[in-house]
Amino acid sequence: QQPVQSPQAVILREGEDAVINCSSSKALYSVHWYRQKHGEAPVFLMILLKGGEQKGHEKISASFNEKKQQSSLYLTASQLSYSGTYFCGLGEYGNKLVFGAGTILRVKS
Amino acid sequence: SQTIHQWPATLVQPVGSPLSLECTVEGTSNPNLYWYRQAAGRGLQLLFYSVGIGQISSEVPQNLSASRPQDRQFILSSKKLLLSDSGFYLCAWSVGQPFEAFFGQGTRLTVV
Repeated sequence: QQPVQSPQAVILREGEDAVINCSSSKALYSVHWYRQKHGEAPVFLMILLKGGEQKGHEKISASFNEKKQQSSLYLTASQLSYSGTYFCGLGEYGNKLVFGAGTILRVKS
Repeated sequence: SQTIHQWPATLVQPVGSPLSLECTVEGTSNPNLYWYRQAAGRGLQLLFYSVGIGQISSEVPQNLSASRPQDRQFILSSKKLLLSDSGFYLCAWSVGQPFEAFFGQGTRLTVV
C-alpha cells in the first residue's frame, strides 16, 4: 500500500522552510526520501531505519516516528536548487520499495 | 563503481504493438531490480520487482510482464500496448541491507 504524502504541493520563497510528511497504515521497516527534477530520474537523499532516527543532508533533514508510522522531511533556508518533486518510499519485507504520490516543491526567488 | 543502463530513452509505439524495455546493471552482483511507471505529473508506481534470477513479483497485473534472464538484466514487456501504457518507465536497483535504490535515466514511452 502506498504511503500518503502531504502536502501535494508547496511554493516557497528562497530562504523559507518547508516540511513534507509521509505516513503509512503499515508498519515501517525503513523510510527513503528521494528528489526528482523535471524529466530526470529520482535521486536518493537519505534513508531512516528505525524509530526516532533523524538524519541530515546539508539543510535537508528527516525524522522517523516508528510508533506513529510517520516520517517528515525538513527543508530549511530553501534554495532554488531544492525545487522538484519529493518522494517518500517505504522499504518493506523482501526489499520491496513503494513510493508515495510525491510532493511538488517550487522555490521562487 | 556501479552503473545502470536503461534504453531506449524515448519510444513512440502504436496501440497494439509489442514492447520490450531493457535494463542492465554493472558493477554489482545479485541486485534487487525494480520497474516503476510514472504517468505525467504523477507518482512512482511499482510494477515489478525481483530479488533474483527468475524471481519476479508483480504489483500491477495488467498487460505488462517482466523477466530476469540474467543476474543483472531486467526486461519489461508487453504483447499489445494500450494508450494507458504511456508514461515514464524507470528501472532501479538496490543491494544489501539497508538498501538505497539507484534509478536509471528512464524511458519515455508514448503510445499513439
